[in-house]
Amino acid sequence: QQQVKQSPQSLIVQKGGISIINCAYENTAFDYFPWYQQFPGKGPALLIAIRPDVSEKKEGRFTISFNKSAKQFSLHIMDSQPGDSATYFCAASDYYGGATNKLIFGTGTLLAVQP
Amino acid sequence: EPEVTQTPSHQVTQMGQEVILRCVPISNHLYFYWYRQILGQKVEFLVSFYNNEISEKSEIFDDQFSVERPDGSNFTLKIRSTKLEDSAMYFCASSEALGRGLEQYFGPGTRLTVT
Repeated sequence: QQQVKQSPQSLIVQKGGISIINCAYENTAFDYFPWYQQFPGKGPALLIAIRPDVSEKKEGRFTISFNKSAKQFSLHIMDSQPGDSATYFCAASDYYGGATNKLIFGTGTLLAVQP
Repeated sequence: EPEVTQTPSHQVTQMGQEVILRCVPISNHLYFYWYRQILGQKVEFLVSFYNNEISEKSEIFDDQFSVERPDGSNFTLKIRSTKLEDSAMYFCASSEALGRGLEQYFGPGTRLTVT
């Protein structure tokens, strides 16, 4: 029940296209959902995050869509650029009820944006 | 911009040896975390630390692991007797607080290789 399932495992998108990565969770206590971007040899970098009281959050070219009833959330990267090529991890946390904000990560999506 | 730093970037050790991984969290942050990432796999929570004690630990964090904040700036992870399966990237993260300021910021990681 602590798992976060992420798909696809890898994704190839043409420059200018839309990249979509999906995540699903089971634990209804999760109430904080960040996305992290990781380049090879680097640590995960916080990209954008959402709380379940909103269905969508947009920051620049990055949008999180959240479906509380389906227990799913997704990352949309608009106008994808070669510089967006990285591994993307979704994560979830039990922010209100947990002792800490430990993050449960998805398995990651390797995104390649072709020029 | 403040950032989490980690040393060393790469540590090679022999099985059975003790290693200490060091982290300097962001200066006004109060919550500290260690995560690990085995090559090609997802990021996994190890332990969280607040007010000089462990808040939560995962099943991975057994008696071979310990954490310490020896002074006002460093946060360390010690593995007492390393095993081959401890080979991974170890990431330190910190957050300002729970609730508001819960975003976790990750360091660049220490690659631990156990031979």
